[in-house]
Amino acid sequence: DVKVTQSSRYLVKRTGEKVFLECVQDMDHENMFWYRQDPGLGLRLIYFSYDVKMKEKGDIPEGYSVSREKKERFSLILESASTNQTSMYLCASSSGGGPNREQFFGPGTRLTVL
Amino acid sequence: GDSVTQMEGPVTLSEEAFLTINCTYTATGYPSLFWYVQYPGEGLQLLLKATKADDKGSNKGFEATYRKETTSFHLEKGSVQVSDSAVYFCALNRDDKIIFGKGTRLHILP
Repeated sequence: DVKVTQSSRYLVKRTGEKVFLECVQDMDHENMFWYRQDPGLGLRLIYFSYDVKMKEKGDIPEGYSVSREKKERFSLILESASTNQTSMYLCASSSGGGPNREQFFGPGTRLTVL
Repeated sequence: GDSVTQMEGPVTLSEEAFLTINCTYTATGYPSLFWYVQYPGEGLQLLLKATKADDKGSNKGFEATYRKETTSFHLEKGSVQVSDSAVYFCALNRDDKIIFGKGTRLHILP
């Protein structure tokens, strides 16, 4: 069974802390994505990556960075967490090669910044 | 730019009722279209998809038809169950990225 796993389901951090959210996929997918999901706003793309060591900004990259050192792992980093980054974070992956490819999602990490 | 608009929820229905969730899109060219579903406490999973005009995607009793002339991809099910309670997202694929609608929460009452 194909899987996208995220390191934590729930996380509580304090303002100013550095936060790492980890995502691992076992499908040998080229593409990986980080979204945040907020009520009334749907899913918004933060960053994505089409290959190892590559990264592209999504719609809302401010306050975030990413790292992709290995094909199967894509990390989202909050350099200095703030309360407005309290949200559900979803990781996804897809194979390359065209617009018909579905994205496979992890279960999400609900982050609370106090 | 490309965008997806879907009906706002929540939508509340009784079990065995007919369901329609409207979705329209704005895009250049002919994107692939998707419906994703998010059950409580879970991530999103693909429900169905259509890759060209007049294609019908179907899964688990749900159907949606890619209508180029009306730029629509409405989700339908003839008889909903309590287990269909979830959030439904309409989406289109552009250059390996997916653009999502804001989601429609569906409540099914027994």
